[in-house]
Amino acid sequence: RKEVEQDPGPFNVPEGATVAFNCTYSNSASQSFFWYRQDCRKEPKLLMSVYSSGNEDGRFTAQLNRASQYISLLIRDSKLSDSATYLCVVNFGRNTGNQFYFGTGTSLTVIP
Amino acid sequence: GAVVSQHPSRVICKSGTSVKIECRSLDFQATTMFWYRQFPKQSLMLMATSNEGSKATYEQGVEKDKFLINHASLTLSTLTVTSAHPEDSSFYICSARPDRKRGSEKLFFGSGTQLSVL
Repeated sequence: RKEVEQDPGPFNVPEGATVAFNCTYSNSASQSFFWYRQDCRKEPKLLMSVYSSGNEDGRFTAQLNRASQYISLLIRDSKLSDSATYLCVVNFGRNTGNQFYFGTGTSLTVIP
Repeated sequence: GAVVSQHPSRVICKSGTSVKIECRSLDFQATTMFWYRQFPKQSLMLMATSNEGSKATYEQGVEKDKFLINHASLTLSTLTVTSAHPEDSSFYICSARPDRKRGSEKLFFGSGTQLSVL
C-alpha cells in the first residue's frame, strides 16, 4: 500500500460544478495534512492546510477523518482557473523524521 | 510568506556535461531540503533529502554519484546532475522545510528547473 493515495482522475467538470477529491494515508500517527495545487510545469503551491475540525477558505473546504485516515478537498462553484493538479501531502510526524509523503495528484479540468 | 529561490529555471545542455541547480531559502533557515524530479504528466518523485552538514539521503533507485547534493549552509542546497544524458531531461524541483518550530510542518517549493539534455 502506498503511503498516500489519490485518485489521479482526470476529473472534467463544467464551470459552476462542485467537485470533491479524497486522499487516504497509511500512517495513523500522521500529524500534518495539506492540499497543494500544481499547474503544468510549475512548482506546487500550498492551497490549504487541513485541520482536524475541518476548514474553509472561500470556495474550498478541507476535511480530515482520522478514524478512516483520509482527507478531502471540496471545491464549490468551480472556475476555469481551478484547472490544475491537486496534490495531497501528509507529514508522517517525528517518528519518521517528519517525512512528507505526496499523493500522485488529481487532475482537474473545468470546462466552459 | 516563506520564499524558496531555485536557479536556473531552464537549462539546455549537451549530453555529457554537468549541470548544477541551486535552491535557496531566502527568509528562513532550512536544515532539511528535498529534491524531486517530475516527468510530464507524472507526479513528483522524491529523489533525495538534503541535510545541512551531513550526507544526503537518497531514495531507492537514485544514483548518488549521478546526482550530487551539497548542503553547505542552512539556506543553500545544490543538486549537480553529472554527465547528463537525454534520459535525465526532466523538471527538477526543490523544497525546504523551515527550521523554526512554527511553520516547520510546511514545505515551501522552489519554482523548478526544466532540464533538457540534447
